[in-house]
Amino acid sequence: DTAVSQTPKYLVTQMGNDKSIKCEQNLGHDTMYWYKQDSKKFLKIMFSYNNKELIINETVPNRFSPKSPDKAHLNLHINSLELGDSAVYFCASSQDQAGGAYNEQFFGPGTRLTVL
Amino acid sequence: QKEVEQNSGPLSVPEGAIASLNCTYSDRGSQSFFWYRQYSGKSPELIMSIYSNGDKEDGRFTAQLNKASQYVSLLIRDSQPSDSATYLCAVTLMNSGGYQKVTFGTGTKLQVIP
Repeated sequence: DTAVSQTPKYLVTQMGNDKSIKCEQNLGHDTMYWYKQDSKKFLKIMFSYNNKELIINETVPNRFSPKSPDKAHLNLHINSLELGDSAVYFCASSQDQAGGAYNEQFFGPGTRLTVL
Repeated sequence: QKEVEQNSGPLSVPEGAIASLNCTYSDRGSQSFFWYRQYSGKSPELIMSIYSNGDKEDGRFTAQLNKASQYVSLLIRDSQPSDSATYLCAVTLMNSGGYQKVTFGTGTKLQVIP
């Protein structure tokens, strides 16, 4: 059973389109994250939710809108896609936000987004 | 100054040698420290965590933390070609909202030469 799963694995789309990526974890964790990894492999946090509440919102264009329907799911919707949005997007989860071992993160397989 | 700094490498070591990966961080309030391994085209995978000064050993891996010097390292003994990957250092810091924010370094690429 996959602990953190994401769909789709690959996404190829045209500039200006709107797309969504879905993430689910079956670890019973309270905290979920979205990361963007660019072509230089830098992994940058975008958003974090704790028990469906948005707790970290980095400097991300408001074309990106996360949504957590329950603590096991975190989706990412992107409007008006731009060339610079091409990257690998990783979902992750951790037990909670209490620090120490509770922050150990488990990553999904990633979604490779290519904007043409 | 970057919050978490790592030498991008590549760091090349012969099979069987000790690989030493280093990471420095800028904020003295940082509380938790992690090492993730990322194979090409795959997702990061947690391999070590350390929360207090000193050494922590797990199999061939040893994590070392020196909070006074703001330095954390990962030693890999008896390096194997299968250890060839990018190693990401990650550090947590409590943000203004009271939540632990994890910041990753840019990673060090390790190549183990057979």
